[in-house]
Amino acid sequence: DAGVIQSPRHEVTEMGQEVTLRCKPISGHNSLFWYRQTMMRGLELLIYFNNNVPIDDSGMPEDRFSAKMPNASFSTLKIQPSEPRDSAVYFCASRGPGGEVPSYNEQFFGPGTRLTVL
Amino acid sequence: DQQVKQNSPSLSVQEGRISILNCDYTNSMFDYFLWYKKYPAEGPTFLISISSIKDKNEDGRFTVFLNKSAKHLSLHIVPSQPGDSAVYFCAASLYGGSQGNLIFGKGTKLSVKP
Repeated sequence: DAGVIQSPRHEVTEMGQEVTLRCKPISGHNSLFWYRQTMMRGLELLIYFNNNVPIDDSGMPEDRFSAKMPNASFSTLKIQPSEPRDSAVYFCASRGPGGEVPSYNEQFFGPGTRLTVL
Repeated sequence: DQQVKQNSPSLSVQEGRISILNCDYTNSMFDYFLWYKKYPAEGPTFLISISSIKDKNEDGRFTVFLNKSAKHLSLHIVPSQPGDSAVYFCAASLYGGSQGNLIFGKGTKLSVKP
């Protein structure tokens, strides 16, 4: 069981550059979540998809952020242009379609992408 | 405005003793609560959960208590082990989590000293 896969694990870029973060959810899971972790705000939800459809993107901070899920096994989070305040750890998580509680509610997290914008 | 609050950023406990991590929430509509554990350079992993229809759930050394009237939950680890040293996140959800959205606290860093 490979778990949720994220790439890259680390990204260092300069202000103004485009950044693309990638996520492969666990096979068979139909919900996918993008989170951002910072010291100030903790772990906050940016957007989540259900069956590849964005359900709630109210956490996306600005128009500079966009997320796509073209199929059930792949999602991207793009920041264009990037700014130093975007520096954070970005997590992707996935969840299965249902079953016994609590597994129905449990989200499985990837290892995260540490983004540094200089 | 934070809906889930973990007011203690850190906690230090001696090995073998009890660790108690606290969490408060403001939204009385939350009906499902989860605890996640996070090691450095890894993603959070699910630890234990509790539905609002219960006031206690136990899994081995880990017990979660829920006090709905006080909007407070706590995680007890007994006995604490050095391997329990990690950041613990409290999370809450609506509709039993079926809507997908988890609201996380900022976390409490637990250090268990040998």
